[in-house]
Amino acid sequence: GDSVTQMEGPVTLSEEAFLTINCTYTATGYPSLFWYVQYPGEGLQLLLKATKADDKGSNKGFEATYRKETTSFHLEKGSVQVSDSAVYFCALSEDQTGANNLFFGTGTRLTVIP
Amino acid sequence: DAGITQSPRYKITETGRQVTLMCHQTWSHSYMFWYRQDLGHGLRLIYYSAAADITDKGEVPDGYVVSRSKTENFPLTLESATRSQTSVYFCASSRDWQADTQYFGPGTRLTVL
Repeated sequence: GDSVTQMEGPVTLSEEAFLTINCTYTATGYPSLFWYVQYPGEGLQLLLKATKADDKGSNKGFEATYRKETTSFHLEKGSVQVSDSAVYFCALSEDQTGANNLFFGTGTRLTVIP
Repeated sequence: DAGITQSPRYKITETGRQVTLMCHQTWSHSYMFWYRQDLGHGLRLIYYSAAADITDKGEVPDGYVVSRSKTENFPLTLESATRSQTSVYFCASSRDWQADTQYFGPGTRLTVL
């Protein structure tokens, strides 16, 4: 079955540090891949997505590249800010059942300190 | 205000009681979803609905009931709450079945004592 594995947190970084959050997936077909972000007290928001191999999703300085050969979709940011403190979820969707449900990773909590 | 709202935001109940969590969206989205978020599990789909009067089970439906008599509302009922249902519940809606169009509500934190 489909699944997503992401690195366990929590991750604590100093402001302007480089961020990588690892995500690998298992899927039977050709999934779309997503990163969602959850700020404190809020629901999840789509951060970026990639729908096919070698696509790069990007938003707000974050990037992730869909790597089919390594079944990975790692999230990166060159210089984190305190405002990036949140929980980040990797997710995939295959839509094979005709309904769009998402398979989520367990989430990685990022704390950025000044 | 437009968007997706959930109520209550926090709820404490006792084992065996019935609890209903409300979800309301103002976009007239066809699809609506209920997820639960637990430590170590991320989000898991409980139920979803493709339109009014059409609902289907997700990954973890046991112990939950849903209805969708109106497009904008999608209540989730725990008929007899158990401690294992202590969780944060998120409602989401989407215009179509593309996964990246799901919009999430702020969540309801439910504690079952």
